[in-house]
Amino acid sequence: DAGVIQSPRHEVTEMGQEVTLRCKPISGHNSLFWYRQTMMRGLELLIYFNNNVPIDDSGMPEDRFSAKMPNASFSTLKIQPSEPRDSAVYFCASFLRGRDTEAFFGQGTRLTVV
Amino acid sequence: RKEVEQDPGPFNVPEGATVAFNCTYSNSASQSFFWYRQDCRKEPKLLMSVYSSGNEDGRFTAQLNRASQYISLLIRDSKLSDSATYLCVVNVGGFGNEKLTFGTGTRLTIIP
Repeated sequence: DAGVIQSPRHEVTEMGQEVTLRCKPISGHNSLFWYRQTMMRGLELLIYFNNNVPIDDSGMPEDRFSAKMPNASFSTLKIQPSEPRDSAVYFCASFLRGRDTEAFFGQGTRLTVV
Repeated sequence: RKEVEQDPGPFNVPEGATVAFNCTYSNSASQSFFWYRQDCRKEPKLLMSVYSSGNEDGRFTAQLNRASQYISLLIRDSKLSDSATYLCVVNVGGFGNEKLTFGTGTRLTIIP
């Protein structure tokens, strides 16, 4: 398995533009998490899905952020409109729910909003 | 109060020394605990799970104290390759509804 695949790896966009981040989890995994990492705040959980269903989106900072998981092999995180304070590394992680399970992370998308 | 708190460091430790990190969590119903390692500009990766009885993996020892709600990581005979950020992770959800919450990480630098 190729692991969790995120795209794009880097994104530079202008303030006000729409940004879509993509994630392909590991095949067979039934949970998917979106995290945002900044120097100031560390890794923050934005939203997570179990069996493609959003369970907890309390970490989504504003209505400008939305996430979908239309099927077990694909998820998107959209920011519209983007702002400079959204600049961060966005990670997607997947795992198979159960005791002492390991979450596998993608390589992240480094987003810069100018 | 944050759900998971760690001392951000940095910890600058000479090679061969022993170093310990602590992490506290606020939700007493938390089910499982982990240490992840993150290298610069890389994704986090599982270092080890933390069991109630404590567990060891080579030079690494993890311990859990449920009464005081903290977990610890001990690294013995530290190597240059141990330089990284160590993330404390707590599952604040129940079995089958895992919600992994990360601490902000402790940065460790091993000095030659």
